[in-house]
Order: sequence, then structure tokens, then C-alpha cells
Amino acid sequence: KAGVTQTPRYLIKTRGQQVTLSCSPISGHRSVSWYQQTPGQGLQFLFEYFSETQRNKGNFPGRFSGRQFSNSRSEMNVSTLELGDSALYLCASSTSPPGANVLTFGAGSRLTVL
Amino acid sequence: DAKTTQPTSMDCAEGRAANLPCNHSTISGNEYVYWYRQIHSQGPQYIIHGLKNNETNEMASLIITEDRKSSTLILPHATLRDTAVYYCIVRVRNSGYSTLTFGKGTMLLVSP
Repeated sequence: KAGVTQTPRYLIKTRGQQVTLSCSPISGHRSVSWYQQTPGQGLQFLFEYFSETQRNKGNFPGRFSGRQFSNSRSEMNVSTLELGDSALYLCASSTSPPGANVLTFGAGSRLTVL
Repeated sequence: DAKTTQPTSMDCAEGRAANLPCNHSTISGNEYVYWYRQIHSQGPQYIIHGLKNNETNEMASLIITEDRKSSTLILPHATLRDTAVYYCIVRVRNSGYSTLTFGKGTMLLVSP
């Protein structure tokens, strides 16, 4: 079956712009999480959604937001981009209600902010 | 969640067993040990998890010490494609959140 699909895979933006990333979970998976990966900070949790509700949020500024749709697809948005937002953004889905801890990750969206 | 300690890097010859250690001395009774790996430029991949008994699947074996303060992930016959960063994570199961805290992991280099 199809894995977790993230689009776009690569994108370049300039400071001050905003970006929207999309994630389609594995069919039947209702929990979607987002992570940011940078060389300096490693993998850091952004937020988690289940049944269109944000269940948990990491320690990121309000410029980072997300949502989940009724079909479990999720989007995350970063407004007023900064150079430090350059990172690999990873989406993960899981089959159970939040807490199962067995996540399937997508290949990520690599964002470069110039 | 309990903190884990892993070596920064390890080397392994192709075809040999790779034994990756993880220390989690502050683990509590309801916390599981999870292993993920991340091949360069890809998303992390779930490998295996366990509570206190040894576990084996098609990818690897997980050996947890009797006192549960440490564990070892074993790749029985390492291949070049096993070169990756391996993360050991200790987490309560069914906590209500699927938030994983990734440390720096162990960079495993499998050489011919």
C-alpha cells in the first residue's frame, strides 16, 4: 500500500514569505505528526493531529501552524519565514489513536529559505 | 520520558552482526524501548520495540537486560544498506500522544 506522501519534496523561499506543506497519511491512519530536522537541533516534534484536532504541540513559535482535514490529510504552514526555518520537514502517520509510538514517516519536504 | 545514551558512531563489516547499545538507566516500569533508523535524506523508519522480553522481527533483534537499564539492537547480517543513524527511544505506550523525542542516535557505518 502507498506510504506517507509529502509534497512538495523540495522548495526554495525567501525570508518573509510563507509556505504550506502537505502530508497524505497511509490509508486508514488517523494520527498525523510533524517534525522538523536541522543539522544543529536534530529531529524536533512540531505538532500532532488526530481526528482533525491538534493533540499535542512542540516548542515552536506561533508562526508554525497546522491542520488536519476530515480525510486525515494534513497541512502545516510557516509564516514570515526566517533563515533558520531551513530544514527537512517530516510527516508521520500511525494507525492507532495517539500514543502507539509506531510511526511511519514520509520522505520529507526540504525547505530552503534564502 | 526516560533519557537514553548511545555511542556517537560505530563501524561494522558487511555480513557481520551489528550490535548497537543503548543505555536507559532511568527507565520506568511502563516505558517501552523503541528503535528507529534514518538513512541519509530519508524519513526515520521504525525497526522494533519491546518492554522486557527479547524481541525479534524480520529486520532485527532487541535484547533488553533483566534490570531494563540497557538494551542492544542486533542486525544479524549487516549490509551496506544498513548504514544509517539509529535512534533508541524510551516511551510510555498509549500515553495519548505519539510524540517521539529523538536524541542524536548512533551513526552506523557498514563497510565492504
